[in-house]
Amino acid sequence: QQQVKQSPQSLIVQKGGISIINCAYENTAFDYFPWYQQFPGKGPALLIAIRPDVSEKKEGRFTISFNKSAKQFSLHIMDSQPGDSATYFCAARENQVYFGTGTSLTVIP
Amino acid sequence: DAGITQSPRHKVTETGTPVTLRCHQTENHRYMYWYRQDPGHGLRLIHYSYGVKDTDKGEVSDGYSVSRSKTEDFLLTLESATSSQTSVYFCATRRDSGNTIYFGEGSWLTVV
Repeated sequence: QQQVKQSPQSLIVQKGGISIINCAYENTAFDYFPWYQQFPGKGPALLIAIRPDVSEKKEGRFTISFNKSAKQFSLHIMDSQPGDSATYFCAARENQVYFGTGTSLTVIP
Repeated sequence: DAGITQSPRHKVTETGTPVTLRCHQTENHRYMYWYRQDPGHGLRLIHYSYGVKDTDKGEVSDGYSVSRSKTEDFLLTLESATSSQTSVYFCATRRDSGNTIYFGEGSWLTVV
């Protein structure tokens, strides 16, 4: 059973556009929600993370929006660049970290 | 970069043979993890360790065993490899009291 549901599976965005990836969960005991970025042939690396007592966190062009009542959170990439092309994983932690199924983002020049 | 080295990086093995993947870290992180990555499933936890000789099962532990005899090394063993264990395996670490999980670069395993 997938603890964290992620969509879409793949996403194509024009350079300069906004990329949005969505995740949902059911377990209200999750206390930490990170996003990881993975380039081909590499391991995932932490991109940005949020705790459930905060509704939004922004780091540069990357923003997490968190809706505790809806049990949903999303990653917004503003002014998307070709270098952002990668696979993105949302995750949630309760002791263990559970990952979503990943979104393959392609940014077209 | 948490100084994680995985070996081998690529391996092809036959069904029924035992396989051991090695993870070595240089940052003295307390926690170590083995994940597998498969299309449509994302990253799934196989086993993890919270100290030397202290290990526990993850979501998909059947057919796998682990050992941690030193802080820096965490071994994953497939006792009798099956085609369903063809995957990319990632070792990861986390320091005590930290939130960030650091991943190695992966080991590609093909079971034929």
